Amino acid sequence: QSALTQPASVSGSPGQSITISCTGTTSDVGGYDYVSWYQQHPGKAPKLMIYDVNNRPSGVSNRFSGSKSGNTASLTISGLQPEDEGDYYCNSYTVTTSLVVFGGGTKLTVL
Amino acid sequence: QVQLQESGPGLVKPSETLSLTCSVSGDSISSYYWSWIRQPPGKGLEYIGYMFYSGSTNYNPSLKSRVTMSLDSSKNQFSLKVTTMTAADTAVYYCARARNPPYYGGNRFDYWGQGILVTVSS
Repeated sequence: QSALTQPASVSGSPGQSITISCTGTTSDVGGYDYVSWYQQHPGKAPKLMIYDVNNRPSGVSNRFSGSKSGNTASLTISGLQPEDEGDYYCNSYTVTTSLVVFGGGTKLTVL
Repeated sequence: QVQLQESGPGLVKPSETLSLTCSVSGDSISSYYWSWIRQPPGKGLEYIGYMFYSGSTNYNPSLKSRVTMSLDSSKNQFSLKVTTMTAADTAVYYCARARNPPYYGGNRFDYWGQGILVTVSS
């Protein structure tokens, strides 16, 4: 199954906002409101940041928000902080296999 | 506090079978969907598949012929076997929990193990 498409890297300065896109098809991102976002720091397991497109788990900062338009989901981080630096992955349900597909990942650098 | 812990060999020879176990503490293994996800060094996440405590499974088509998942509710553990390992299977293997099947929001992995690096080399 093809991975969802994410930009390889994004960057921003502390205090700024950035957006990471996750593009799929009508078989996954566009067809279902089952998009999640994960943050991963080096050597650590991924951490759930957003689920079902725009819901935050308890304990996740409200600086993180999600949205979706058509076949593209987006993660926005506002008020960037140094600890936001890391890799971010989206995933979605895909009807093609009735399983889960991940994006290729985006490296966020806080300048 | 729910915790997941992977265990198994860190080194496997080519053509051999990998066996990993995920031990779950802090909650029962029943009523959840348990997945394996792997990450080759320096690369992205790849979904291997899931198992429900009832025994139902679904595997990534790219690995389906080589993967078997099982569950031992008496030990609160679930397991992964991958046959005919090659260098391309070298990765950090994670176990993760979802509350629902993939078709109902089961892409929401709320708890993860810390991961175990498995290297395939002779």
